[in-house]
Amino acid sequence: DAGVIQSPRHEVTEMGQEVTLRCKPISGHNSLFWYRQTMMRGLELLIYFNNNVPIDDSGMPEDRFSAKMPNASFSTLKIQPSEPRDSAVYFCASSYGGTMNTEAFFGQGTRLTVV
Amino acid sequence: GNSVTQMEGPVTLSEEAFLTINCTYTATGYPSLFWYVQYPGEGLQLLLKATKADDKGSNKGFEATYRKETTSFHLEKGSVQVSDSAVYFCALIPISSGSARQLTFGSGTQLTVLP
Repeated sequence: DAGVIQSPRHEVTEMGQEVTLRCKPISGHNSLFWYRQTMMRGLELLIYFNNNVPIDDSGMPEDRFSAKMPNASFSTLKIQPSEPRDSAVYFCASSYGGTMNTEAFFGQGTRLTVV
Repeated sequence: GNSVTQMEGPVTLSEEAFLTINCTYTATGYPSLFWYVQYPGEGLQLLLKATKADDKGSNKGFEATYRKETTSFHLEKGSVQVSDSAVYFCALIPISSGSARQLTFGSGTQLTVLP
């Protein structure tokens, strides 16, 4: 398996623009997570899905952020409008939630810069 | 709630030195415990894990033992290499009856190994 695939790897956008980050989880995994990593706040869980259903979005910073998982093999994280403070590395991770031992597998991340 | 506390970094060692990165946790019951590693510019990779008390996880010369009496999962390596320079994250997945089990991460410890 190719692992968790994220695109784009790097994104530079102007303040106010819409940004869409994409994630393809590992085939067969039924849980998907979006994390944000910054120097100041470390790793923050934004939202996670189980069987394509959002389970907990309490980490989503504000209404400008939205996430969807239309099917088991694809998820998006959208920021509209983007702001400079959204600049961070965004990671997608997936796991199989069937057993207690399950670990999450991470993508390479998308480095977002909002200028 | 669940939480993970890691030794503050950064840690700088000379090659072949002994490494310990402390990790303690708070959780209900006996969670599964993990160490992840993040190399520069990359996503997180699972380094090792332990799923029950007294289990020892090991990989690439790294070891950590699940100690329920001290609620700890310290990472150790007998002789570090320059290539071990990375950020190390301790994490847990709680025992849960829920359908998805999310990772709770520590703040990460930056390790730099000098030749």
